[in-house]
Amino acid sequence: GQNIDQPTEMTATEGAIVQINCTYQTSGFNGLFWYQQHAGEAPTFLSYNVLDGLEEKGRFSSFLSRSKGYSYLLLKELQMKDSASYLCAVMDSNYQLIWGAGTKLIIKP
Amino acid sequence: KAGVTQTPRYLIKTRGQQVTLSCSPISGHRSVSWYQQTPGQGLQFLFEYFSETQRNKGNFPGRFSGRQFSNSRSEMNVSTLELGDSALYLCASSLGEVEIHEQYFGPGTRLTVT
Repeated sequence: GQNIDQPTEMTATEGAIVQINCTYQTSGFNGLFWYQQHAGEAPTFLSYNVLDGLEEKGRFSSFLSRSKGYSYLLLKELQMKDSASYLCAVMDSNYQLIWGAGTKLIIKP
Repeated sequence: KAGVTQTPRYLIKTRGQQVTLSCSPISGHRSVSWYQQTPGQGLQFLFEYFSETQRNKGNFPGRFSGRQFSNSRSEMNVSTLELGDSALYLCASSLGEVEIHEQYFGPGTRLTVT
C-alpha cells in the first residue's frame, strides 16, 4: 500500500529552527509537496520537490532524497504565525496526490 | 484573480439524506480535486476531474460521486449519508495540464451528519 509518515505534533520556540520529517512509500513518484494549514483554514502551497536536494524559499526550505523516500521541511527564525499544521503529499505514478496526516507545529514564546 | 470558492460553507444533514456540494475553481484552472478531511486522518482523496472527465478516483464507496461542467465548476454528491461522513470537504483546483502544478484549495464545506 501507499503510506506517508510524519510526526503528529512538534513544539518549538519562537526564533528557533525546526525540521519536520516526512517518509513515504508510494507507487511511483512524481514529486513531493509541502502545504501549510492554519486551524480552520484551507491548506496553502509551500514547496514542490521532484529532484534530490534542498530548495530554499525565504525562511522555509525543503529537502528531498528519493532513494531514501525521505523529505523534510526546515523552518528558520520561527514566528508565532508559523503555528499551523504542515502537510506532506506525494504525487504517485497515476499523478494522484497521497497525503500524510499532517504535523501540528506549536510555537512557544 | 478570485480564489477557489465552495458553497455552502456549513451544512447539517440527517442520516439517510443526500447532499450536493459545489466548487468553483480559479479562472483558467481545468482540474478540480475533492478531498475529505477528518481529524487525525488527514486529507483523503475522493476524485479529480479534468475537462469534464473523471481522471482519478480514490477509495470511497459509490455513494460519493461528482461531476464537472464545461465551465470547470464541479459538484460533489453524497447519497444515503452516514454519521461517518461528517467531515470538512475541500476542493482544490490546478491548471491540470501535463506539467505538475500546485493545487489551490477552497475554504471547504463543513458537513455535519446527525
